[in-house]
Amino acid sequence: QSALTQPPSASGSPGQSVTISCTGTSSDVGGYYYVSWYQQHPGKAPKLIIYEVTKRPSGVPDRFSGSKSGNTASLTVSGLQAEDEADYYCSSYAGSNNLIFGGGTKLTVL
Amino acid sequence: EVQLLDSGGGLVQPGGSLRLSCAASGFTFNNYAMSWVRQAPGKGLEWVSRISSSGGSTYYADFVKGRFTISRDNSQNTLYLQMNSLRAEDTAVYYCAKGVAGGWLQFDYWGQGTLVTVSS
Repeated sequence: QSALTQPPSASGSPGQSVTISCTGTSSDVGGYYYVSWYQQHPGKAPKLIIYEVTKRPSGVPDRFSGSKSGNTASLTVSGLQAEDEADYYCSSYAGSNNLIFGGGTKLTVL
Repeated sequence: EVQLLDSGGGLVQPGGSLRLSCAASGFTFNNYAMSWVRQAPGKGLEWVSRISSSGGSTYYADFVKGRFTISRDNSQNTLYLQMNSLRAEDTAVYYCAKGVAGGWLQFDYWGQGTLVTVSS
């Protein structure tokens, strides 16, 4: 399976909203509701921020939201804050007991 | 508090072997599926392998099938990854990750990672 496609970079000013896309196929993103998003700060382990397309784990601010349309999932970060600057990865079930990730998006808070 | 402590990484020559461990605490280990996820230097995340809560079912990414073996000792709350026939492209930080309740496709807790370097 190929990796999911994410833009290499995204940016926004504090207080603004930014959306990161994650494009797959009907065999992964489009076929299942098992899309997750992870935030990773430099030198740290990833942190789950969205699972099953739209759900937020407890403790994750509601500034983070997820959605999906067809073969593309999206993560929206509203009210950008300096601490949101990080790498973001999407993942999706791809069938046949396989899980794939996106290439990652570096979010810069200007 | 849930904690996952990865260990066992290091420098190994191509063709060599290494066994990674992940010591779990703060949750009922034998109730959860566990996975290994890796990240090559400066690259993205890759799912490597998963094991069911009982240890009875195991699955692997194609690029490690036949070379890596995942296992767990529920009496010791420990997850393992036996890596054989290592290649340069296996160089990465390896994370153990806990599946969210009832599944394995999302990981709500991660270890700190252990670096595996395959080089002569």
